[in-house]
Amino acid sequence: DVKVTQSSRYLVKRTGEKVFLECVQDMDHENMFWYRQDPGLGLRLIYFSYDVKMKEKGDIPEGYSVSREKKERFSLILESASTNQTSMYLCASSPRGDTQYFGPGTRLTVL
Amino acid sequence: GQQLNQSPQSMFIQEGEDVSMNCTSSSIFNTWLWYKQDPGEGPVLLIALYKAGELTSNGRLTAQFGITRKDSFLNISASIPSDVGIYFCAGVLFKAAGNKLTFGGGTRVLVKP
Repeated sequence: DVKVTQSSRYLVKRTGEKVFLECVQDMDHENMFWYRQDPGLGLRLIYFSYDVKMKEKGDIPEGYSVSREKKERFSLILESASTNQTSMYLCASSPRGDTQYFGPGTRLTVL
Repeated sequence: GQQLNQSPQSMFIQEGEDVSMNCTSSSIFNTWLWYKQDPGEGPVLLIALYKAGELTSNGRLTAQFGITRKDSFLNISASIPSDVGIYFCAGVLFKAAGNKLTFGGGTRVLVKP
C-alpha cells in the first residue's frame, strides 16, 4: 500500500511565524505535490517537485516555498504566516507519469 | 486554475439506490482518476483509468474513460450509508516534468433524511 504521511493533522500558529509542513512517502515516487483546499475553491496546487532538489511553482505559490532534499520528503514552508493561509494542506506523491496518492492533510489555523 | 465540469454538485441517496456522476472537459487527458474524500481527511483514490474507452470496476464502483478522452463517469451501485462523502474526478495530462492534476469541483453525496 502507498503511504503518504504528514507531520501534523492540526496546527495552530500566530501571524508572522515561520511554519514548516512535512510530507513523507515510502514508495520511492519521483513526483510530490503540495495543495491547499478551501471551501468553494477546491484543491489548488501550490508547488510540486519532480526530483530531488527540483521544484516548480503551481497555481498559487505566493507566500510559500518548498524544499526537497531527499526523495521521500517534501516540505512546505510559510515564511511569515498570515491569516489568509488558514486552510487544509494536502500533500500527494506519484510515480513518474501516473496516479497521485494523497496524505491525510494538515488543518492549519493562523491566528 | 482550470477545473473540470463535474455534475451533479450534490445528490441525496437512499440506501440501495444506484448513483451516477460525471466529469467533462474541453481538453483531452491521458488519465482519469476518481477520489473520495471524507470530512477532515485527504482524498482516497478509488479508480484510475488509463485508456480511452476503458471501463473499470472496484467493488460496487464502476468508472469509464470516455472515448473522446474528454469525459468520465463514476457509478455507485446499491449505495450504503458509508458512501456519503465528496467525490472528485481528476484528469492527468502527461508533461515532461511532473504531471499536474486538473480537478472537478466535487460531488457531495448525502443521505436522504
